[in-house]
Amino acid sequence: AQSVTQPDIHITVSEGASLELRCNYSYGATPYLFWYVQSPGQGLQLLLKYFSGDTLVQGIKGFEAEFKRSQSSFNLRKPSVHWSDAAEYFCAVGAASGGGADGLTFGKGTHLIIQP
Amino acid sequence: EPEVTQTPSHQVTQMGQEVILRCVPISNHLYFYWYRQILGQKVEFLVSFYNNEISEKSEIFDDQFSVERPDGSNFTLKIRSTKLEDSAMYFCATHPAGYSYEQYFGPGTRLTVT
Repeated sequence: AQSVTQPDIHITVSEGASLELRCNYSYGATPYLFWYVQSPGQGLQLLLKYFSGDTLVQGIKGFEAEFKRSQSSFNLRKPSVHWSDAAEYFCAVGAASGGGADGLTFGKGTHLIIQP
Repeated sequence: EPEVTQTPSHQVTQMGQEVILRCVPISNHLYFYWYRQILGQKVEFLVSFYNNEISEKSEIFDDQFSVERPDGSNFTLKIRSTKLEDSAMYFCATHPAGYSYEQYFGPGTRLTVT
C-alpha cells in the first residue's frame, strides 16, 4: 500500500526567507506526486505535480519541487516566502497504473507559519 | 476558469439522520471522487466513480455510504445514518478522461453531526 510521510508538522519561516517542506513516499512502482495547499476554511489547491520527465517541476505561486527516486522524496521549495504563503501544505501520491480512477493518498500535512 | 462546486457549504445534522452532499463536477470531467478530512487530520480517500459505477473504495466507505450521479450532472454522497465520527469536511474532486491524475477539488462541505 502506498503511503506519504511529511515529517514536519509545523514549520516557521521568516518572510523573505527560503522554504523547503519535506515529503517522502512509499510506493512499489512509479508514482504520480502532488503538492496541494489549503488555506484556513478553504479547499485544496494544486500547487504542482510530477508525472514523468524532468525531475524538477515548477508550480504556481513560485513553488517548485524535485523528485528524487533514490530517496523516495518530493520536497517542495520556494526561494522567498510571502506572508500569504501561510497555510497547510499536503503532499500526495497517486498510482501511475490502473484505469485512472485511483484515489490519492495524502500526507498529514505541514502547517507553515510566516514570521514578519 | 471552471470549478468544482459543492453544496451545502455547511450541514448540521443529528446522529442517525441521513445526509446527502452534492457536487457539480467540471463539465467535461468523467472521473469523480469523494474525500474526507476530519478536523486537524489528513485528507482521506473515500471512493472513486467512473462510468456510472464505483471504481475504487477505501475501507472507510462502508455500507452507510453510497454515491450516485442521478441526473448526469450532480455527483452525490449519501450517508444513511450519520454517526458523531462522520463529522468532517467532505471534498469532491474530479478529473477529465484519460490518464490525467490532476484532480480538481471543490471547496468542501463541512458536516457536523450532533
